[in-house]
Amino acid sequence: GNSVTQMEGPVTLSEEAFLTINCTYTATGYPSLFWYVQYPGEGLQLLLKATKADDKGSNKGFEATYRKETTSFHLEKGSVQVSDSAVYFCALISSGNNRLAFGKGNQVVVIP
Amino acid sequence: GAGVSQSPRYKVAKRGQDVALRCDPISGHVSLFWYQQALGQGPEFLTYFQNEAQLDKSGLPSDRFFAERPEGSVSTLKIQRTQQEDSAVYLCASSLGSGGRGSTYEQYFGPGTRLTVT
Repeated sequence: GNSVTQMEGPVTLSEEAFLTINCTYTATGYPSLFWYVQYPGEGLQLLLKATKADDKGSNKGFEATYRKETTSFHLEKGSVQVSDSAVYFCALISSGNNRLAFGKGNQVVVIP
Repeated sequence: GAGVSQSPRYKVAKRGQDVALRCDPISGHVSLFWYQQALGQGPEFLTYFQNEAQLDKSGLPSDRFFAERPEGSVSTLKIQRTQQEDSAVYLCASSLGSGGRGSTYEQYFGPGTRLTVT
């Protein structure tokens, strides 16, 4: 079946630091990959997506590249801000399917 | 325009009670999804509607869970004889279109209903 694995534990870092959140997946066929973000007190929002191998999704300074050879979709941002503090979820939709499969999420806390 | 709305935002139920959770999708959105999010976990798929047709209910955890969307817009998720393990946030999402791949159509999420069963 389809599954998404995110690195364990919350991430705490200082403002302007480099952020990486790892995400690997298992899926049949050729999935589409997503990062969703949940800011405090708000609903899930799509941050970025990639629909085929080697595609790079980007938004708000965040980037992630669809790596089929390593089945990964790691999220990166070069210089985080306090306003980036949120929970980040990696997710996929596999071919022939509409449902999103999510990872467990990572809480990111950015300290001024 | 208005996003996806859900009501109530919070619900406390005694074990054994029935509950009904409502979702108002974005107007004109064909597809509607329900997800369950346990504390500290990612959302898990429950069921999917395309207009009024429930095309996938494979994620419903038991026959105590029932969902409907009779006119292809508002949807209700009903849980009968609630148990403590049903405590979670229930998320509704809608998307403009449908299709096997699904990648073209972003799913827009509501704020969720936090259900606590005591």
